[in-house]
Order: sequence, then C-alpha cells, then structure tokens
Amino acid sequence: ETGVTQSPTHLIKTRGQQVTLRCSSQSGHNTVSWYQQALGQGPQFIFQYYREEENGRGNFPPRFSGLQFPNYSSELNVNALELDDSALYLCASRTSGGNEQFFGPGTRLTVL
Amino acid sequence: GQSLEQPSEVTAVEGAIVQINCTYQTSGFYGLSWYQQHDGGAPTFLSYNALDGLEETGRFSSFLSRSDSYGYLLLQELQMKDSASYFCAVRDRGGYQKVTFGTGTKLQVIP
Repeated sequence: ETGVTQSPTHLIKTRGQQVTLRCSSQSGHNTVSWYQQALGQGPQFIFQYYREEENGRGNFPPRFSGLQFPNYSSELNVNALELDDSALYLCASRTSGGNEQFFGPGTRLTVL
Repeated sequence: GQSLEQPSEVTAVEGAIVQINCTYQTSGFYGLSWYQQHDGGAPTFLSYNALDGLEETGRFSSFLSRSDSYGYLLLQELQMKDSASYFCAVRDRGGYQKVTFGTGTKLQVIP
C-alpha cells in the first residue's frame, strides 16, 4: 500500500509568483485536506476535497485554490505569493468516514 | 469556531510517565485526535476518542471527557525517540467534519 506522497519537497519562489503543489493520496482514500504549518505552530486547515469537490474551507483567501482529480490526487495552487505564505504545506488523506488522517511528508515553500 | 489549548513544552525523564493536556472550545464536537510530529517530519496519527473514557494503544493512552471539553495523552515508559511535538485535534460535527489542530506540545525526553 503506497502512502501519501507530495511534490516537490522544497520550493523557493519570489513574492507575487504563483505555485502549484501536488499530492497523491493513499490508495482507497477519497477525501483529502490541505494544511499550512508555520514554524512552531500546528497545521492550519486550508480546505478539503471529497470526490473532486471542495466541501470545506478554512480562513484562507481565494488566492488559495485547489483541485482533486478522479484518481484522488490533488493540487494546491497559490497565486500572488506573499512572504507570509512561507510554510510547510501538508496534505492528508482519509476515507470519507475515517478517523485517521494520513499525512504526506509536506512541501517546504519559501517566499523571498 | 474552534480553539484548543495545550502546554507549549514539557520535559520528562526517560522511563517516566508524562501527561499532555488539551482543552477545547468548539461549536460542534465529533471527536478528539492526537498526532505526533518529529522535527522535519509529517504528523502521524496516534489515537482518536469520540466517547468519554480511556483508549489504550501500547505505551500511549488517550482520555476524553466531553462534559469538561478536555482530553489528555498519556505516554508511559518514555523513550528518547518520543521526543517530538504532540498535537490534539478536534473533529467537527459539521457536514465535512473539519479537523482543527492545537498549537502543539513539544516534548523533550532527557536521560
């Protein structure tokens, strides 16, 4: 059974640019959530996708958007990058009724 | 909305027992989870409580009191590898069952 994978591992962008982060869910998981984790903080919920539809969103502006594909892989897109967007971005997958979220290793984004 | 409080840091001796507390405020509660995260790593699931009481999984136990909006994670026979951050997380009763994480407790195990 393949776990959750994310790409890239690290990324450096400049302010104002756009970025796309990718996540491949664990086999059999139809629900994926994206989190932003600043250094020394807990993961902050960005949004959740279930069967290719966004069905929940945290307190993040519209420049944070996402997609989920039929194979349940997903993307997080961030437009007009700001310095404060520098963080670890985590995706987590689960079954629709599952209590356990399986996290990927994360993408470390640095905005200069 | 949801808010969770847990101590920022705890230090304990190898072989000892440590308890990490979590209090929460939520508009709709479904369950409380605990996750472990080593520096530079991803959070990994430890336990989930939906009902009052104690759940035991090896050296780790988790407790929930819904009436007190309180839970704790108990780690026994501490090992050096247990040094990590521990997060409590509340699962919403809302439609999509959003999970909100606390700010984490950094546990340092010393010899």
